[in-house]
Amino acid sequence: DAKTTQPTSMDCAEGRAANLPCNHSTISGNEYVYWYRQIHSQGPQYIIHGLKNNETNEMASLIITEDRKSSTLILPHATLRDTAVYYCIPNSGGSNYKLTFGKGTLLTVNP
Amino acid sequence: GAVVSQHPSRVICKSGTSVKIECRSLDFQATTMFWYRQFPKKSLMLMATSNEGSKATYEQGVEKDKFLINHASLTLSTLTVTSAHPEDSSFYICSASPLSQTDTQYFGPGTRLTVL
Repeated sequence: DAKTTQPTSMDCAEGRAANLPCNHSTISGNEYVYWYRQIHSQGPQYIIHGLKNNETNEMASLIITEDRKSSTLILPHATLRDTAVYYCIPNSGGSNYKLTFGKGTLLTVNP
Repeated sequence: GAVVSQHPSRVICKSGTSVKIECRSLDFQATTMFWYRQFPKKSLMLMATSNEGSKATYEQGVEKDKFLINHASLTLSTLTVTSAHPEDSSFYICSASPLSQTDTQYFGPGTRLTVL
């Protein structure tokens, strides 16, 4: 699996957009970019994933650069409940695929 | 949809005893379930991959005789920590991939194990 680089921590004001970057310059052509988050003392929560095109769902938007070497997760209107560690995980998906969690970014949403 | 439950949420046991943790997919069937462990202030580490009806595949360094995994149905996998010791105290989390969505894992809420 490709290695990733994410900021250790970020702060965001409540109601503002939170933009979380991830570098994955060694990503393979068949690897998707997955984003999960983990709120303190809970199991991780799936957010979104994409291959080449930008993706959007009810939780977030995912912007992937054309060269696929980096991506940005966007939470359009951050709330206090979005405070969590966010993980960017390149993975080829499919049955039996393994997720390798790095250190992620601790996003703190402030009132 | 895609809800995974774990039971118990917390367990405290004495050293030398065995503890069983259940992982259930509530609204979907899962051929594959995964077991992770997370120590304080550390990231999740995959312990094993469990396929329904077959033996689990353990990651390097994880003792299969200590961490027994049973995946007897498409909605239930169990992890038994045998002869638990204080160093086994950790946060154990399972995940499952729906048959209809094998490229996504959904995680349970985790089980906090404390071994005295």
